[in-house]
Amino acid sequence: DAKTTQPNSMESNEEEPVHLPCNHSTISGTDYIHWYRQLPSQGPEYVIHGLTSNVNNRMASLAIAEDRKSSTLILHRATLRDAAVYYCILRDVKELTFGKGTLLTVNP
Amino acid sequence: NAGVTQTPKFQVLKTGQSMTLQCAQDMNHEYMSWYRQDPGMGLRLIHYSVGAGITDQGEVPNGYNVSRSTTEDFPLRLLSAAPSQTSVYFCASSYRGQLSGYTFGSGTRLTVV
Repeated sequence: DAKTTQPNSMESNEEEPVHLPCNHSTISGTDYIHWYRQLPSQGPEYVIHGLTSNVNNRMASLAIAEDRKSSTLILHRATLRDAAVYYCILRDVKELTFGKGTLLTVNP
Repeated sequence: NAGVTQTPKFQVLKTGQSMTLQCAQDMNHEYMSWYRQDPGMGLRLIHYSVGAGITDQGEVPNGYNVSRSTTEDFPLRLLSAAPSQTSVYFCASSYRGQLSGYTFGSGTRLTVV
């Protein structure tokens, strides 16, 4: 299975943009890039996914490198409620394989 | 409200006891999965199903059984509980294919003493 590499932790200030990086150098042509987040004491929550083109939704934006070997999840204005562990996952057709993710701390 | 419902939310078992964790979804999702999450760790896949009557093993299947007799339900059975199975268990479901995100339940916190 293709693997992803993310920083263990990142910090941001409230109302500032946050760029969460993810490296996936062994990605295959059919792997979709998915992002989930897990708030404290909750189950993971789907954030966004993409294949080749950049994607936007109400929660975030996903920027995918042209060679697809890396991607960046963008939170445009971080709030205290965005403090969570963020997982970058290359979705196999049937299942998700979670790494340890990035712990995002948002400072007031 | 549509979603994934897990019961119970908390459970304490004695070593050697068996029990079933329930998972139900009302979104007509084909795919369902069970994960466990140990403290400070990411989620690890136990078993998954791509449709009624079809199940397969994930990364850590030992000590667990599953069945999928209906699209809606995907129970996880612990055959003989061990302290190493103390964990938080999450059930998830998704439409077929890679274009959909998974919806997760709120989890079952299991302690085996």
